[in-house]
Amino acid sequence: DTGVSQDPRHKITKRGQNVTFRCDPISEHNRLYWYRQTLGQGPEFLTYFQNEAQLEKSRLLSDRFSAERPKGSFSTLEIQRTEQGDSAMYLCATTERQLTNEQFFGPGTRLTVL
Amino acid sequence: GENVEQHPSTLSVQEGDSAVIKCTYSDSASNYFPWYKQELGKRPQLIIDIRSNVGEKKDQRIAVTLNKTAKHFSLHITETQPEDSAVYFCAASSSASKIIFGSGTRLSIRP
Repeated sequence: DTGVSQDPRHKITKRGQNVTFRCDPISEHNRLYWYRQTLGQGPEFLTYFQNEAQLEKSRLLSDRFSAERPKGSFSTLEIQRTEQGDSAMYLCATTERQLTNEQFFGPGTRLTVL
Repeated sequence: GENVEQHPSTLSVQEGDSAVIKCTYSDSASNYFPWYKQELGKRPQLIIDIRSNVGEKKDQRIAVTLNKTAKHFSLHITETQPEDSAVYFCAASSSASKIIFGSGTRLSIRP
């Protein structure tokens, strides 16, 4: 599969626990985006990277959220001290900026905080 | 701030009829307008996009129009089929940065 992949696909955790999600982009896609989608809503932008540089963070991204892309390839999104309001689908998307604006989405990680 | 509004939130049309979804955006710097289709439990999939230097684009049964002056853009689906049933999102972006999505339209095709 040469598309964007995300792991895990589902995560159930208890309130207060930390969770980490991983996104593997399409090869040679230098921009990587994280979005959050709640039921019945469109995806909301969280943050994005160009190679290893984090270029923008949404004000939605509280200090409990951190994202990294250390080698400019895969990225991780960590949520510390999870809250029930963090329950959502976390989507990763990547794009090859020089060719197109089109963002290719991964299958998402569904987080449920109990 | 940046915002994309989408209407209607739900739309039901008879199979074979046309469906129209309308969006407005607030950021004048937006120059790329993709439309995504999302089926239940699946990832958003790009179905068509338009750039700010073009007023209209068509791909088989799907067409998009853009009015930059009014900051309006629309999706038109003709000859609708059952497999068109899904949630559709309009979106706006500037210079390959983040995409701002609308709130979605749940389209149902009645047989």
